[in-house]
Amino acid sequence: DAKTTQPTSMDCAEGRAANLPCNHSTISGNEYVYWYRQIHSQGPQYIIHGLKNNETNEMASLIITEDRKSSTLILPHATLRDTAVYYCIVRDGGSQGNLIFGKGTKLSVKP
Amino acid sequence: ETGVTQTPRHLVMGMTNKKSLKCEQHLGHNAMYWYKQSAKKPLELMFVYSLEERVENNSVPSRFSPECPNSSHLFLHLHTLQPEDSALYLCASSQDFGGGYGYTFGSGTRLTVV
Repeated sequence: DAKTTQPTSMDCAEGRAANLPCNHSTISGNEYVYWYRQIHSQGPQYIIHGLKNNETNEMASLIITEDRKSSTLILPHATLRDTAVYYCIVRDGGSQGNLIFGKGTKLSVKP
Repeated sequence: ETGVTQTPRHLVMGMTNKKSLKCEQHLGHNAMYWYKQSAKKPLELMFVYSLEERVENNSVPSRFSPECPNSSHLFLHLHTLQPEDSALYLCASSQDFGGGYGYTFGSGTRLTVV
């Protein structure tokens, strides 16, 4: 079973920041938080991951709370092409960690 | 183009047919994966290969048979499938099995069983 809880869907205006929340209250010390997205009819695309520090790359920022029980993926300036299902995944960083997908959040970016 | 190539993109097959899905990566990754995505369901992990050895088989019916001849290629052989096997089949690779690395996915094969 997925270890995360995400809203089923969200809307965001084009050009605005999209903030996607994720709860992972049972996360353990060696588990990372990963974010992927899946645009319709394509394979999932890796976005970003982190352990406890906030992370930023060219696609997004990841904010992890101090207790690590929740996180937020931030797309700073959403475009129509960012419309996708966004998956928050908790995964063990050790040798037994598989990538298990939940239902994700369907983000719709509107003009 | 993600670096993981899947062929064919679309496949229609009868229940008595035998077909194969192919996945190829030249990213230098050591682990490869098959996932299944049925309509309105989360992705399901089917098989995991690490350094060409199968390390996981998640209770997948025997009508699905994986093959990993080398670290760059992964096949999924299909025979006597059922209509409920119609789905998007996704291949992925990662630097190593486990560890803190992201997965790279292909675009998938859309399979329809008639």
